[in-house]
Amino acid sequence: DQQVKQNSPSLSVQEGRISILNCDYTNSMFDYFLWYKKYPAEGPTFLISISSIKDKNEDGRFTVFLNKSAKHLSLHIVPSQPGDSAVYFCAASGGGTASKLTFGTGTRLQVTL
Amino acid sequence: NAGVMQNPRHLVRRRGQEARLRCSPMKGHSHVYWYRQLPEEGLKFMVYLQKENIIDESGMPKERFSAEFPKEGPSILRIQQVVRGDSAAYFCASSPLTDSLYEQYFGPGTRLTVT
Repeated sequence: DQQVKQNSPSLSVQEGRISILNCDYTNSMFDYFLWYKKYPAEGPTFLISISSIKDKNEDGRFTVFLNKSAKHLSLHIVPSQPGDSAVYFCAASGGGTASKLTFGTGTRLQVTL
Repeated sequence: NAGVMQNPRHLVRRRGQEARLRCSPMKGHSHVYWYRQLPEEGLKFMVYLQKENIIDESGMPKERFSAEFPKEGPSILRIQQVVRGDSAAYFCASSPLTDSLYEQYFGPGTRLTVT
């Protein structure tokens, strides 16, 4: 039962353009959402998060949008840079201050020159 | 300010042996989580611990796996009588004790190979 889904396993974007990574979830109890970036042979690195009481959160080149009615969130990276090439995981948390994260399967982003 | 530390980074065990994975959380963090990533999959939650307490072990296999976070020292994930299917990357994460912070900070992982 995949409660967090990232339906695009890979995405290729030209340097300087916008990268849009999508994530869908099914569990309406999720109230906090996070994006992590992962390089090979390293642990995931926290990027940005959003609470369910908001619909947008921005941090530099990264913006996360949340559409609760559609149970959908997206990560926008603009402008994309070659160093952004990595696997991006969407994660969700529900209930409590500190709780387990449910991860999607990841989207591999390749930023080309 | 050191991040989450995990050791060893790579561990090779033969079938039937025991594997011990260690995790030291970030300074000031009192919550520890263990996740497992199988090849080509996302991370799967295993267990959530605070000092001397297991808070949520809903993701732990019922047999052969155990975890602890003692009052002193690192958190330990123990896998007894390993099988080939245990080969995976095991990640530890930690978070601070606050009301508003959900973010978990991950270590570099331990890659377990069972031969």
